[in-house]
Amino acid sequence: QQQVKQSPQSLIVQKGGISIINCAYENTAFDYFPWYQQFPGKGPALLIAIRPDVSEKKEGRFTISFNKSAKQFSLHIMDSQPGDSATYFCAASSMEYGNKLVFGAGTILRVKS
Amino acid sequence: GAVVSQHPSRVICKSGTSVKIECRSLDFQATTMFWYRQFPKKSLMLMATSNEGSKATYEQGVEKDKFLINHASLTLSTLTVTSAHPEDSSFYICSARDPSVADTQYFGPGTRLTVL
Repeated sequence: QQQVKQSPQSLIVQKGGISIINCAYENTAFDYFPWYQQFPGKGPALLIAIRPDVSEKKEGRFTISFNKSAKQFSLHIMDSQPGDSATYFCAASSMEYGNKLVFGAGTILRVKS
Repeated sequence: GAVVSQHPSRVICKSGTSVKIECRSLDFQATTMFWYRQFPKKSLMLMATSNEGSKATYEQGVEKDKFLINHASLTLSTLTVTSAHPEDSSFYICSARDPSVADTQYFGPGTRLTVL
């Protein structure tokens, strides 16, 4: 119930293409869904986050799509660039559980130039 | 976004020694900080929740006597790995929750611990 399932495990996209990473959760108590970007040897950096009251949020080239009924959310990276090559983690949390983040397993994204 | 620092960025120590890692929120006050451990090519594993002025809450399977956490102020939490052994070698990352931006956790740059 506390798991967040993330797919794919790895992804290769051509420069300029769209990268799509998907996550699914079971616990309906989750009410905050952030995405983090992590480069090797660095800490995760918050990219974008969404709450269940909206179905989509866009910030620059990054968009989260959220489907509450399906308990799924996804990250879309438009016009993907080689500099976007990193590991991406989805996560979920709830005030009910002390705002602890439950992380997905991560997706290694490689953007080919 | 808010800035969280960690010190040191990497440390190498001998087996049996203790190592202290500091986590600071630089431009906000964090009543709650979290400590994670990350193995190569793996996701982040929550070790404990650190609350200012009270005892830390440890996740199941994490030895509280092994990983001592102190949250002495609203901007500083420390993790001490006591009597470190090679199996404690890992990447340790802290995060701090900014109460003015509800639920948002900002992560530090991480500390690479190598125990010889």
